[in-house]
Amino acid sequence: EVQLVESGGGLIQPGGSLRLSCAASGFAVSDHYMSWVRQAPGKGLEWVSIIYFSGNIYYADSVKGRFTISRDKSRNIQSLQMNSLRAEDTAVYYCSRGLYSGMDVWGQGTTVTVSS
Amino acid sequence: QSALTQPPSASGSPGQSVTISCTGASSDVGGYNYVSWYQQYPGKAPKLIIYEVNKRPSGVPDRFSGSKSGNTASLTVSGLQAADEADYYCSSFAGVTKDVYVFGTGTKVTVL
Repeated sequence: EVQLVESGGGLIQPGGSLRLSCAASGFAVSDHYMSWVRQAPGKGLEWVSIIYFSGNIYYADSVKGRFTISRDKSRNIQSLQMNSLRAEDTAVYYCSRGLYSGMDVWGQGTTVTVSS
Repeated sequence: QSALTQPPSASGSPGQSVTISCTGASSDVGGYNYVSWYQQYPGKAPKLIIYEVNKRPSGVPDRFSGSKSGNTASLTVSGLQAADEADYYCSSFAGVTKDVYVFGTGTKVTVL
């Protein structure tokens, strides 16, 4: 079964760091475009970052310089290292597969709350 | 990169049709045939229902259809059903010079 499962969310103080993971099953993350998308409470979807199967990496301006996306082919996992967290980073973070033909597989999401 | 513009809400009675617009720019919607639409229920992950402007993934009813003209894309839901009551988001590939992918502001569809 094709599936994505996120983990690593939690409550973190402003300025802190958190690492999210997304475990894939049924396909290889290294063969696909893989993104992180977030959704603040009561708000819409916001694209955060993507890693191409070629290895190219891109970030939304809102997280550039603070977040780092990566993947581990051996463990079939993609990750999002989040540093210098701000209150406005509070959201449910989803990992997803795909780009040009839409994001066809989504995880269940993991909640990140940035608050003192 | 600004979010694509959608109406906050849309509604229709069962059996009717509702159309949601999604307005972007020549750098995203107008520049590529890579517009997608997602359906999201409260507390759930989004689900892809339209990709590449007007294609439906396997299992998505043909009541859902997409189109595009210039910088504006549209999603039409025909034969509205109670289960169609959800939030709908458009999205578009936007190149690699700014944000690669941009979502719409979202539209809440209510079945009256």
